[in-house]
Amino acid sequence: EVQLVESGGGLVKPGGSLRLSCAASGFTFSSYSMNWVRQAPGKGLEWVSSISSSSNYIYYADSVQGRFTISRDNAKNSLYLQMNSLSADDTAVYYCARDGGRAVAGTIDYWGQGTLVTVPS
Amino acid sequence: EIVMTQSPATLSVSPGERATLSCRASQSVSSNLAWYLQKPGQAPRLLIYGASTRATGIPARFSGSGSGTEFTLTISSLQSEDFAVYYCQQYNNWPYTFGQGTKLEIK
Repeated sequence: EVQLVESGGGLVKPGGSLRLSCAASGFTFSSYSMNWVRQAPGKGLEWVSSISSSSNYIYYADSVQGRFTISRDNAKNSLYLQMNSLSADDTAVYYCARDGGRAVAGTIDYWGQGTLVTVPS
Repeated sequence: EIVMTQSPATLSVSPGERATLSCRASQSVSSNLAWYLQKPGQAPRLLIYGASTRATGIPARFSGSGSGTEFTLTISSLQSEDFAVYYCQQYNNWPYTFGQGTKLEIK
């Protein structure tokens, strides 16, 4: 069974930093691109960042470019998101999400339960 | 950035009836369009990819159509578990983008 378990969320002051982690299991982690997607309270979904299976390709949304860094450790089956210079606009549930792969590359077929990041205004 | 616009924002339909949700892209995304369903307190679930292919385990009452800039999700006979928020997502160009969602509610 595919499982994605996020951790590291919490309350952080404006301008502060936080590192999210995602522990993956139930599939060959090193074969899949991975993503972070966020959802502000009561709002829609926003794709934050993507990383290819070997970390060769990395993408960021304009809203986080230069502040967030995505990384992965295939030996540990883990995905990370380093978030710096946080502001109230970054308050959201952050989902770790697996790319569908092959014919469904670019979609998300599995999601974690999400971890809440709160940055007070 | 490709902007995805969904309509309507809220759709009220009775159980057993048909629901039609729309999604428009600000530029062509070919058939690189997915639909997701999200229930309160849960993560989204993939329904449709490639504009018209149902994901694994998705019932046949869900169907997708369209290409280019205009897309439609149709639910042929609404069940109680279908009332939720639906999002479209384009994966033709980075940054991948979602629509703002359509809330499907019980009439």
